[in-house]
Amino acid sequence: NAGVTQTPKFQVLKTGQSMTLQCAQDMNHNSMYWYRQDPGMGLRLIYYSASEGTTDKGEVPNGYNVSRLNKREFSLRLESAAPSQTSVYFCASESQGDYGYTFGSGTRLTVV
Amino acid sequence: GDSVTQMEGPVTLSEEAFLTINCTYTATGYPSLFWYVQYPGEGLQLLLKATKADDKGSNKGFEATYRKETTSFHLEKGSVQVSDSAVYFCALSDQGRSGGSYIPTFGRGTSLIVHP
Repeated sequence: NAGVTQTPKFQVLKTGQSMTLQCAQDMNHNSMYWYRQDPGMGLRLIYYSASEGTTDKGEVPNGYNVSRLNKREFSLRLESAAPSQTSVYFCASESQGDYGYTFGSGTRLTVV
Repeated sequence: GDSVTQMEGPVTLSEEAFLTINCTYTATGYPSLFWYVQYPGEGLQLLLKATKADDKGSNKGFEATYRKETTSFHLEKGSVQVSDSAVYFCALSDQGRSGGSYIPTFGRGTSLIVHP
């Protein structure tokens, strides 16, 4: 089915470990986004990529890096995980001018 | 900057009751407005949208009208079902500010619980 695929769905990390969250979309969308969702905080934008080859910081970029590998894939890396990064992470994509995102089903990350 | 304010939840209703979830916004340009729905354990899904003043977005029995004079985009449904239990997010995208990426500003979400 067409859409946004995120892996893994669940992950537990120890403080200081690193990991990469993967995101791929098969809708030929230009723009891709990473959000985190925390209770009572709503959605906060971490990084986004308006088009292949470009990335920009969002509201809460500290502690994260991203790579727009190609038009389909946009990965989020935690170099040294901290308990404050415990959250649910969502990837989304959009075709510019089409209004409205398509979201992945999320990655639930716990840092202990 | 742009902002979206939603009524706090949870909103608890009995099946077949009328639903209103309030949403107001502030924006410097002429935003598009959206409602997203998030079912438990899933990502957000676009529920409906409106791109200019007085437009009405509708989907699955839900409606919202873009009211520029009151800067509001309230979500309504005439008769809710248990299956409507979810978290609802209001969002705006100010095209003039964010250019081609249309980055939305999201509200904090309103949880809806519908009892049989």
